[in-house]
Amino acid sequence: EPEVTQTPSHQVTQMGQEVILRCVPISNHLYFYWYRQILGQKVEFLVSFYNNEISEKSEIFDDQFSVERPDGSNFTLKIRSTKLEDSAMYFCASSDIGGRNYGYTFGSGTRLTVV
Amino acid sequence: QKEVEQNSGPLSVPEGAIASLNCTYSDRGSQSFFWYRQYSGKSPELIMSIYSNGDKEDGRFTAQLNKASQYVSLLIRDSQPSDSATYLCAAQRTGANNLFFGTGTRLTVIP
Repeated sequence: EPEVTQTPSHQVTQMGQEVILRCVPISNHLYFYWYRQILGQKVEFLVSFYNNEISEKSEIFDDQFSVERPDGSNFTLKIRSTKLEDSAMYFCASSDIGGRNYGYTFGSGTRLTVV
Repeated sequence: QKEVEQNSGPLSVPEGAIASLNCTYSDRGSQSFFWYRQYSGKSPELIMSIYSNGDKEDGRFTAQLNKASQYVSLLIRDSQPSDSATYLCAAQRTGANNLFFGTGTRLTVIP
């Protein structure tokens, strides 16, 4: 079964450093997403990406964050200057037709720890 | 704020029983609803989607939607210990791609 692949699975970084989280969506999917889940809290939407541009973003997705599809397969989330409160599981997801009525396939996640 | 509310549990049921999980949502513009299962430390896994009023069955799972009451539920028949997980309810607004998740209900199936 096709899957969304995320790397790394764990990342520890110092506060103020930049991190890049990587995702390889399912190959024929057109919509890509980043969500995060702070330990013990709900899964929160960050951003959706379609046709090489951001289609929606939440208030969490401020200037500290950016997304990119640098080639035909990868989808990245960059956090420019990490803060302690950025520590969370970051999930990438993809869908073929915007997820409407069909939901998404989530990757296994990257656990980001900011120290 | 587009809230999706779930009872955090924990909900404990004996093996073989029916587990009933409930969810309410505040945004009347929500049209599609999803149930995800999340094992500890893992990513959400889609179980079912529903967008029409009524029941939708898939194997041991039945999703129920009542838009007038803004209520979604998931029934798990013949619960198994492997069903022990946190169940996340998510809502999607018409025309949007993003999902709003509830905090999840932790289910424990006791052998």
